[in-house]
Amino acid sequence: LAKTTQPISMDSYEGQEVNITCSHNNIATNDYITWYQQFPSQGPRFIIQGYKTKVTNEVASLFIPADRKSSTLSLPRVSLSDTAVYYCLVAPNSGGYQKVTFGIGTKLQVIP
Amino acid sequence: NAGVMQNPRHLVRRRGQEARLRCSPMKGHSHVYWYRQLPEEGLKFMVYLQKENIIDESGMPKERFSAEFPKEGPSILRIQQVVRGDSAAYFCASSPLKGLAGGAEQFFGPGTRLTVL
Repeated sequence: LAKTTQPISMDSYEGQEVNITCSHNNIATNDYITWYQQFPSQGPRFIIQGYKTKVTNEVASLFIPADRKSSTLSLPRVSLSDTAVYYCLVAPNSGGYQKVTFGIGTKLQVIP
Repeated sequence: NAGVMQNPRHLVRRRGQEARLRCSPMKGHSHVYWYRQLPEEGLKFMVYLQKENIIDESGMPKERFSAEFPKEGPSILRIQQVVRGDSAAYFCASSPLKGLAGGAEQFFGPGTRLTVL
């Protein structure tokens, strides 16, 4: 499985856009990039998934450059409730599922 | 539609006892995954099951750990003869068969926090 590297922590003020970048230099051709969010004492929650270029949903945007060696999760106008750990995962579709291991993630602290 | 349910939420066992963790997937989901999260670490994949079948158990310790997902009832993660190192949060996730191109989105339960005394 491709190794990912992301910042351990980030701080942001309320209302700002937050961009969290994940490096995955040895991503394979059939790997997809998925981001999850985890609040304390809860299970992770899926945010977004992409393969290349840009993906947007009601929660976030995911930017993936042409070489796919990195990806950036963009959270528009964060609020205090966005304080959480964000995980970047890279794994192939293994017959309908992703066998993934979550790294330490990025701990985002939103400040009032 | 209830989400993924896990029970108990907290479980305390003494060394050498057995721990049984239960997971009821979301309605309509027939795929279950178990993960373990040690303090200050990320979640590690343990096993992926479909109804009555273990598909991928490459993340399961070779001894003392077993998982099942019977035709009826919840999925069970069983840890025999627990040791202090088994203390962790155990998360269950479920997914439908078809989903995203990259692999079906996984829906996580609230976890079971196991403490071994």
